[in-house]
Amino acid sequence: GAGVSQTPSNKVTEKGKYVELRCDPISGHTALYWYRQSLGQGPEFLIYFQGTGAADDSGLPNDRFFAVRPEGSVSTLKIQRTERGDSAVYLCASSSNGAGAYNEQFFGPGTRLTVL
Amino acid sequence: AQSVTQLGSHVSVSEGALVLLRCNYSSSVPPYLFWYVQYPNQGLQLLLKYTSAATLVKGINGFEAEFKKSETSFHLTKPSAHMSDAAEYFCAVSEPNYQLIWGAGTKLIIKP
Repeated sequence: GAGVSQTPSNKVTEKGKYVELRCDPISGHTALYWYRQSLGQGPEFLIYFQGTGAADDSGLPNDRFFAVRPEGSVSTLKIQRTERGDSAVYLCASSSNGAGAYNEQFFGPGTRLTVL
Repeated sequence: AQSVTQLGSHVSVSEGALVLLRCNYSSSVPPYLFWYVQYPNQGLQLLLKYTSAATLVKGINGFEAEFKKSETSFHLTKPSAHMSDAAEYFCAVSEPNYQLIWGAGTKLIIKP
């Protein structure tokens, strides 16, 4: 596609449930990033993939959060046993060269997760 | 540790007036600096970036920013505000080969 897409755009779930959020990066981009953005805050880094592997997962808040990118393209962020504090907008970005502070990251529109 | 401070969660200017959005950073090494814009219900879009070339950086939509090492600042300016500039603006910093650290954002409000 022309840009980064994320599905669903909105997800409402109940506390304790499992959710999956999908990111489809720009074709050919090797690097993929997940961020979380709470109301009134800037994006918070979660995890960075270079190809299929997680190059840096230091931002994942705890072991309920997990992300995969099995074929080096689409990525899925998985959250187990959701808590109300997980409610936020989850952003995905991709870039062409990765590991690149100066490589422009292209962002998707985000998935708004609401945990009731 | 790196950090970014954006002064003012909301900035209001009249249409046609100067826009000034402030960003100060802390970094132990020469940083890369970025400004992103987020329009309502849209993704973040890169406005401009500083990567140790010219200290005055020009971006899209008439915005520019100046890197001032002595002040550890990277303020965003535009000479004349348009209604279409109403959005949220984020400053971010990175050391080479590391992820972006973001400010909390400044919502720009344009008064007619």
